[in-house]
Amino acid sequence: NAGVTQTPKFRVLKTGQSMTLLCAQDMNHEYMYWYRQDPGMGLRLIHYSVGEGTTAKGEVPDGYNVSRLKKQNFLLGLESAAPSQTSVYFCASSYLDRFTDTQYFGPGTRLTVL
Amino acid sequence: ILNVEQSPQSLHVQEGDSTNFTCSFPSSNFYALHWYRWETAKSPEALFVMTLNGDEKKKGRISATLNTKEGYSYLYIKGSQPEDSATYLCASNNYGQNFVFGPGTRLSVLP
Repeated sequence: NAGVTQTPKFRVLKTGQSMTLLCAQDMNHEYMYWYRQDPGMGLRLIHYSVGEGTTAKGEVPDGYNVSRLKKQNFLLGLESAAPSQTSVYFCASSYLDRFTDTQYFGPGTRLTVL
Repeated sequence: ILNVEQSPQSLHVQEGDSTNFTCSFPSSNFYALHWYRWETAKSPEALFVMTLNGDEKKKGRISATLNTKEGYSYLYIKGSQPEDSATYLCASNNYGQNFVFGPGTRLSVLP
């Protein structure tokens, strides 16, 4: 099993450009999450999904959109990137209970917006 | 939104020392607490999931306790080794809310 994978690993964007980050999991997990991690702060939840075809806002959703067309994939989109979105983005998934089941994390995507 | 705090922010210990650090979270409507270990350039990995007041979990030299009434959890490492060097994250959630991660405690174990 590959677990949770993220594509790409690194990306540099100019302000106003758009991009999509792909997260894939092969563990048949129902729940998937997108976090951002900034220096001195904990992981902050951007959006999450409780199953195929569903999405919900997390703590810091502004400027991001997500889609979960297939159970194994969770996409994070930036329509018009801003320097404030420079961060490391982590995807995670969990099996059935999003409160007590362990979250499995991907390797992260380091995004720089100039 | 919950406020989850961790202390200390960082610490350095000598190989063989035992150490502990704290995760503080709001106690009202507590549901679950997770501990993760995060090595540099890797992904966070789960250590423990704790839900019951007084719970104590152990994995090798690492153990954790939970006090839901006063809103804190301790993580203990006995006989620290250089490979224990990592950032230790806790995450807490209350009923109906998403997990909130603390900022982490960065542990460096010096050989």
